[in-house]
Amino acid sequence: GIQVEQSPPDLILQEGANSTLRCNFSDSVNNLQWFHQNPWGQLINLFYIPSGTKQNGRLSATTVATERYSLLYISSSQTTDSGVYFCAVGYKLSFGAGTTVTVRA
Amino acid sequence: DARVTQTPRHKVTEMGQEVTMRCQPILGHNTVFWYRQTMMQGLELLAYFRNRAPLDDSGMPKDRFSAEMPDATLATLKIQPSEPRDSAVYFCASGLATGGRETQYFGPGTRLLVL
Repeated sequence: GIQVEQSPPDLILQEGANSTLRCNFSDSVNNLQWFHQNPWGQLINLFYIPSGTKQNGRLSATTVATERYSLLYISSSQTTDSGVYFCAVGYKLSFGAGTTVTVRA
Repeated sequence: DARVTQTPRHKVTEMGQEVTMRCQPILGHNTVFWYRQTMMQGLELLAYFRNRAPLDDSGMPKDRFSAEMPDATLATLKIQPSEPRDSAVYFCASGLATGGRETQYFGPGTRLLVL
């Protein structure tokens, strides 16, 4: 199956800081999603982004399919951004191990 | 506000008992996926359906797990008999398949504890 690697595994931010999360994948895909798992366990769709760039408020994502990586940008982080961010690829969604983000007030 | 619903949200049971988890996909979606999340294994696919037909259940232990879609509004995941190692959060997700490109929407999960 497709291998998905996310980095960094953990990220501690001061409120207001910007950050970049990375997702590398081992094979070409036509399906890539970013999720945020909040402290209550809910998986929330952030982006469906098999290629290109998208923005939604303070979050944006870029996928370079030919180089097999995707980046998630968090700008002006808030405490509500805390949680685990997952990258998942492929039709049957192979998940990475996630990046745990902690935003401190 | 369309969303995937799952019941029960929490389940505590004793080893050997049958467990049934239910999922109502978003109306109009034609694919349903079951995932399991544990600390050790992370999120892993158990089974998925398209137009109610099972397409892949290779992620499930066949001897004790079964997944079905009795109709378009209900998907079930059963464990019989349950074991302590089945303790996990089980997520259902649904999507609308269009040429292999789709967004999956996840339910809130069923948190299962087998004692």
